[in-house]
Parts: sequence; C-alpha cells; structure tokens
Amino acid sequence: GAVVSQHPSRVICKSGTSVKIECRSLDFQATTMFWYRQFPKQSLMLMATSNEGSKATYEQGVEKDKFLINHASLTLSTLTVTSAHPEDSSFYICSATSLGADEQYFGPGTRLTVT
Amino acid sequence: GQQLNQSPQSMFIQEGEDVSMNCTSSSIFNTWLWYKQDPGEGPVLLIALYKAGELTSNGRLTAQFGITRKDSFLNISASIPSDVGIYFCAGLNYGGSQGNLIFGKGTKLSVKP
Repeated sequence: GAVVSQHPSRVICKSGTSVKIECRSLDFQATTMFWYRQFPKQSLMLMATSNEGSKATYEQGVEKDKFLINHASLTLSTLTVTSAHPEDSSFYICSATSLGADEQYFGPGTRLTVT
Repeated sequence: GQQLNQSPQSMFIQEGEDVSMNCTSSSIFNTWLWYKQDPGEGPVLLIALYKAGELTSNGRLTAQFGITRKDSFLNISASIPSDVGIYFCAGLNYGGSQGNLIFGKGTKLSVKP
C-alpha cells in the first residue's frame, strides 16, 4: 500500500515558539493532503485540506494564521504551528490521496507537547 | 453537519471469538473506509468499499457497504491478540472538488488471550 511518513514523530516545544511538521508521500504523488488533530481517546478531526500548489482550505474554527500549511510539491506538505500554546498539545496526523483516488493513507502522526 | 454513529464504543472479547462493529449515518456516503489505529500511530486502512451492497474481505476481516449507503459493518473472525486497537469507520463524500472523510468515534477492541 501507499506509504506516508511524518517528521518528527514527537516534539516538545516551549510556549510561544513555532513548530513545523512534515508530511511526505513516499511512493506516490499526493495531489491532496489532509491535516487532522486527535485528542486522547477521541476521533480524528479534520483541520485543513491542501492541494498541491494552492492555498489550504481550513475547517471552521481552525485559525489559518496559527496553523500554516504549505503544499509546495506533490510529495510534501508542512504544517507549522505558530506561537504554540499548551492547548495546542495534541496528536497531529496527515493523510494523502492521489488524483481520482478515494482512499486516504495516513502518516504515523506527530505528538506535539507544548510546555 | 454529517455524523457517523459507530458502535459499540468498546468490546472485550476472548481470543478466537468473532467481532462485529458497525457505523450508521443519517447521510448517504459514496465510499466507506475502515481503519485500525494502534496507540501513538496513525490509522491504517483495512478495507475500502465503493458500491452499495458491496461485501469485501481482507483476510479475517469482512466489511459491507449497506444498500441504503447510510451504514457499514466490519466483522473480524477468529480474533487474535494483535487485533487489539481502535477501529474507525469513515465515510467519504464529495463536497466541491475533493472528498472529505467523516470519522466515527471508534470502537476499542480488547482481546483476552
């Protein structure tokens, strides 16, 4: 199956700093990438959808200036959490899909802890 | 908005037993996907269903896309300890130019050896 990687797998940062998370599709071209966050014992909540070369579409309630998404190539999307606060601590997961495909393949997730 | 009702929330079963879980919705979906998530990992796709009435198997797993397109079930036969994890159903609809997944709240499966 398709492989999606995320980096880093874990990150601890201080409040007020910014953190960048990378999502890569390793063996296919991802025309669309999705970013989710997941709180403990809860389901995945979609944050934003990004298409290669265009601006991301954010879900209602997600601050686009706080969660910066860049999808500059068909194999890489980045999520930058700016001016992080402890309430941003969560598990962030990306997924990727290719043109015309219905299946989304998920990365292994990034555990962000803001102290 | 669209919601998926997934049940049961959790299951505690003996190794070797069969398992069944399902998702229902008041909305119609074009595609149903079933994922398994291990702690601290991203979800892994188990089965994808594309047509109403479709029954698909993947090893000991069998899933069906309901005729009404509003529900799906996942069965696991002869469970083993490594089946432990959280199973999510997800429905896919097309809004605009791309599809968005709507996730159920998950079924936590525990298997006793």
